[in-house]
Amino acid sequence: GENVEQHPSTLSVQEGDSAVIKCTYSDSASNYFPWYKQELGKRPQLIIDIRSNVGEKKDQRIAVTLNKTAKHFSLHITETQPEDSAVYFCAASLFNDYKLSFGAGTTVTVRA
Amino acid sequence: GAGVSQTPSNKVTEKGKYVELRCDPISGHTALYWYRQSLGQGPEFLIYFQGTGAADDSGLPNDRFFAVRPEGSVSTLKIQRTERGDSAVYLCASSLRGLDTQYFGPGTRLTVL
Repeated sequence: GENVEQHPSTLSVQEGDSAVIKCTYSDSASNYFPWYKQELGKRPQLIIDIRSNVGEKKDQRIAVTLNKTAKHFSLHITETQPEDSAVYFCAASLFNDYKLSFGAGTTVTVRA
Repeated sequence: GAGVSQTPSNKVTEKGKYVELRCDPISGHTALYWYRQSLGQGPEFLIYFQGTGAADDSGLPNDRFFAVRPEGSVSTLKIQRTERGDSAVYLCASSLRGLDTQYFGPGTRLTVL
């Protein structure tokens, strides 16, 4: 099955700086890559996703980039704010598959 | 509208007991998924329903785990003879159809003593 690795496991940034989280996947047949944000004790919430037919997608301060050749994708958060502090999970699913394979998560702390 | 809901939010049980965890998907969503999240890890897939049928149960760890969705809406995850290693947060998600965006519920935290 698909194997997703996520780095770093923890990330501390100064408020206003950017945060970048990277994920790699093993199966070149993967074509859907969502990112979820999970605050302590809360449900995972989708913040952005990308499909393999595009290389980049942006939504306000959040962007995701995909490199299919290298089999990696990244989450970029600009102008970080305290409310961005949470655990972020990347995930991947194979073409015509529905189950998501998740990375182990990145704990992001935004220092005021 | 209402999101995915799960009950109970917390369940504490003793080793060897039977438990049932319930998931109410978003109304109209035909696809339903169960995942298990251990502390400090990402969710791991357990089972996927399309309508009433389990289309993929390849993630269920063993035959102590079983899930049903008899009317194509509410689903129940059943765990027999619970073990301490079953302790985790059990997450349910639903999507309008298979391959669409998955929306997660708040999870049930299961603790097996």
